[in-house]
Amino acid sequence: DAGVTQSPTHLIKTRGQQVTLRCSPISGHKSVSWYQQVLGQGPQFIFQYYEKEERGRGNFPDRFSARQFPNYSSELNVNALLLGDSALYLCASSSNQVNEQFFGPGTRLTVL
Amino acid sequence: AQSVTQLDSQVPVFEEAPVELRCNYSSSVSVYLFWYVQYPNQGLQLLLKYLSGSTLVKGINGFEAEFNKSQTSFHLRKPSVHISDTAEYFCAVSDWGAQKLVFGQGTRLTINP
Repeated sequence: DAGVTQSPTHLIKTRGQQVTLRCSPISGHKSVSWYQQVLGQGPQFIFQYYEKEERGRGNFPDRFSARQFPNYSSELNVNALLLGDSALYLCASSSNQVNEQFFGPGTRLTVL
Repeated sequence: AQSVTQLDSQVPVFEEAPVELRCNYSSSVSVYLFWYVQYPNQGLQLLLKYLSGSTLVKGINGFEAEFNKSQTSFHLRKPSVHISDTAEYFCAVSDWGAQKLVFGQGTRLTINP
């Protein structure tokens, strides 16, 4: 079975622009979580979606938003990009709300 | 609020030597504990997890960890490391019934020949 997939793998944007990152969970997984990993730090929780509903939100500004589709794939949107948004964005899926999370390879976002 | 402290940012060891990566956590409730490994330019791979039961947990690639509730620690060990173990290692905690993972800052393990 395919693992968690994310697209694109790399992205370069300029300050003020908007970006959309995509994630496809492992087949059968209904929960998707998003994390931001700034260089040299551990990942930080942004959102969790389960059965298309937001079930958790980390300490991120309203410029960050996400949604989950009927096929359980997910998008993370970031508006009005700042230099500090440059990071690796990781998506993780699990079969239910509390089980082990499986991580994708991430999307490397660079904001210039 | 939960937090995780990885006591060493970098750990250099020689090949075939034993290694211990230290992790302490704080939480007001019962927790699940995890160790993840991240190879360069890749996502996170689960090494092992503690959910309940035996405090000694065995994982992949010969790693093991021991949950110590009184010391709020979950140190990762391997008796003999290989060059291929060179990576960043992250300790993480989550509350029972929740999925949000709180990660430590990571420990960079470097294996010297």
